[in-house]
Order: sequence, then structure tokens, then C-alpha cells
Amino acid sequence: SAVTQDPAVSVALGQTVTITCQGESLRGYYASWYQQKPGQAPLLVFHGRNSRPSGIPGRFSGSTSGNTASLTITGARAEDEADYYCFSRDFTGSPVTFGGGTKLTVL
Amino acid sequence: QEQLEESGGGVVQSGKSLRLSCDASGFTSTSFTIHWVRQAPGRGLEWVALQSSDGLSDHFAESVKGRFSVSRDGSKNTFYLQMNGLRGEDTAVYFCAREMLEITPIAWGYYLDSWGRGTLVTVSS
Repeated sequence: SAVTQDPAVSVALGQTVTITCQGESLRGYYASWYQQKPGQAPLLVFHGRNSRPSGIPGRFSGSTSGNTASLTITGARAEDEADYYCFSRDFTGSPVTFGGGTKLTVL
Repeated sequence: QEQLEESGGGVVQSGKSLRLSCDASGFTSTSFTIHWVRQAPGRGLEWVALQSSDGLSDHFAESVKGRFSVSRDGSKNTFYLQMNGLRGEDTAVYFCAREMLEITPIAWGYYLDSWGRGTLVTVSS
């Protein structure tokens, strides 16, 4: 992928975790973030500079610095255990791309 | 409320064709760019294709270029993904999703705010 993610991250219940996405396109384009639980469609949880869709808990936040976009979950809950994907512009062929996904485990 | 619903998946032999449909409701299909995204069993999300809101521009992932095409029927609010020359590696759940674009003085951001539940395509040898 033109944007890359760590394959797996874990967090203790109630603690804070940050999932990152790296790629040169992120210097000029925001990433958007999707949560996917087994057997379900992806769900948009954060996008743009500072936008959280209606219904997404306030513990989800995002940021961008340089070529890295981050999704932070403050006070992780058991229901946050899922795969998380970033999505952004791609400069390597396709117009857009997903990161490889990060599997979040809540301990 | 905006909704998308895919249909048309199933089991198909390698080399054959299949057409997926994506029915949109709650919004006017001709006002939005629609993406197709797939997920092979146990794998991550893979972007497949998009068709621009005006229907004049489409783009495809290298893995499907020349085999897949997209179209839309505005009168039915339905989008289509035509898949020809199917291969085993095309086996996946296929999702359609609506694109939104956020423009700020600093940067632009593409995001997919509404997704269908997906339809499973299985290519058998």
C-alpha cells in the first residue's frame, strides 16, 4: 500500500492507544479511518482535520503530522476491539488506497 | 437516511463474468462518486474501482484493470460493477461506498461515509 499501518496493536482496558498510518500522500491529503468488526461492513469513525461522524463516541480522535496520520482512542473499551483501516489519496498508481489495517486488541 | 445495498454475488467459475449491483437510497446517486472495495477472506480492505459523480471518469486498481468496468443507471439509483475474466484471487466480499470530499485551506480529504453490507463473490476453479 502507499500508506502503511502497524499490523497489530494492543491496549489495556481504559487506557489510551494511537494507531498510525504513514505515507507521502498524507502530507497533502487527510486520512479517513474505518473500524471493522468481524462479519460487518467498515464504519467511518474519523475523517479530515477534526471530524467525527454522528454517533461515533468522543473517545475517537484523529490528527496528522507530516506524513503520518493518527487515530487515538482515549479510554479504550472492550467494544473497540476491531480492525482499523486508514484511507487516503495514493500517488503510486491508484487514485486512493487503504492501509493494510491494524488489529486492535483490548486487554 | 443514506443507504447502499449490494447484490449479485455468488459462485462463478474461473474465467466467467458476474455483474454486481449497488442500490442507493436516501440520496441522489448522480451527485456522488461511488467506490467499490473488496475484502478477500481473512485479508484487509482493497480498493477496486470508482466512478465519478458525473459518470464520465472511472479508475481501477491494477489488479482488475482491463477486466472490470463500472456503470450506473441514474433512473434506478443503481451502480454496477461488471467483472469479466474472473480469477480465484477475485474471491472476496465486495462493498460499494459513497465518497465525500472535505476541502480545507490546508489539505483535502476523501472519505467513504456510507457503505453497503457487501456481497460475496466466490470464484471456483
